[in-house]
Amino acid sequence: AQSVTQPDIHITVSEGASLELRCNYSYGATPYLFWYVQSPGQGLQLLLKYFSGDTLVQGIKGFEAEFKRSQSSFNLRKPSVHWSDAAEYFCAVGPRAGSARQLTFGSGTQLTVLP
Amino acid sequence: DVKVTQSSRYLVKRTGEKVFLECVQDMDHENMFWYRQDPGLGLRLIYFSYDVKMKEKGDIPEGYSVSREKKERFSLILESASTNQTSMYLCAVNRDMDIFFGSGTRLTVV
Repeated sequence: AQSVTQPDIHITVSEGASLELRCNYSYGATPYLFWYVQSPGQGLQLLLKYFSGDTLVQGIKGFEAEFKRSQSSFNLRKPSVHWSDAAEYFCAVGPRAGSARQLTFGSGTQLTVLP
Repeated sequence: DVKVTQSSRYLVKRTGEKVFLECVQDMDHENMFWYRQDPGLGLRLIYFSYDVKMKEKGDIPEGYSVSREKKERFSLILESASTNQTSMYLCAVNRDMDIFFGSGTRLTVV
C-alpha cells in the first residue's frame, strides 16, 4: 500500500531564511507527487506536482521540489521565506495511471514564520 | 481553475441531528470527493462520486452518506451527528490527476 510520511509536524523559520519541508513516500512504482498548501481557514491549494521528466519542479509562490527516486523523497524548498508563507503544507502521492481517488496525503507540516 | 464552493464555512450542530454539507462545482467534472481533515491525520477520504447517482466509499465512510442528484452538486450527509464527527470537511473536484478543493466547512457537534 502506498503511504506518505512528513516527518516534521511543525517547523519554525525566520523571515528571509531558507526552507525545506521533507516528504518521504512508499510506492511500488514511480508515483505522481504533489505539494499542497493550506492557509488558515482555507482549503488546499496546489503548489506543484511531479509526473515525469525533470526531477526538479517549479511551483507557484517561489517554491520548488526535487524528486529523488533513490531516497523515495519529494522535498519542498524555498530560498527565502516570506511571512505570508505561514501555513500548513501537505505532500501527496498517487498512481500515474489511475484515479485521483487513489491519492494518499501526508499528515501535514505546520510552518511558522518569525518576523 | 475549477471553482469549488462549500456553502457553509462554520456549522454548529447538536448530537443526533441530521446534517447536510453542500458542495457545488462550476465545471462539468465527473469526479467529486469529500474528505475529512483532523490534526495529525491529514486528509482522509470519506466518499467519492464519479458521476450522477454514482458513489463509492472511501477510507472512512462509517456514519456518513452522500447524494449526487446533479453533476455540479455533491452533498455529504451525517444521518445522526456525533461528537466524534467534529472536524474540518473538505470537498474537492478532480480534473485528470489534479484535485481542486473548496474552502472547507468546520463542523462542531455539541
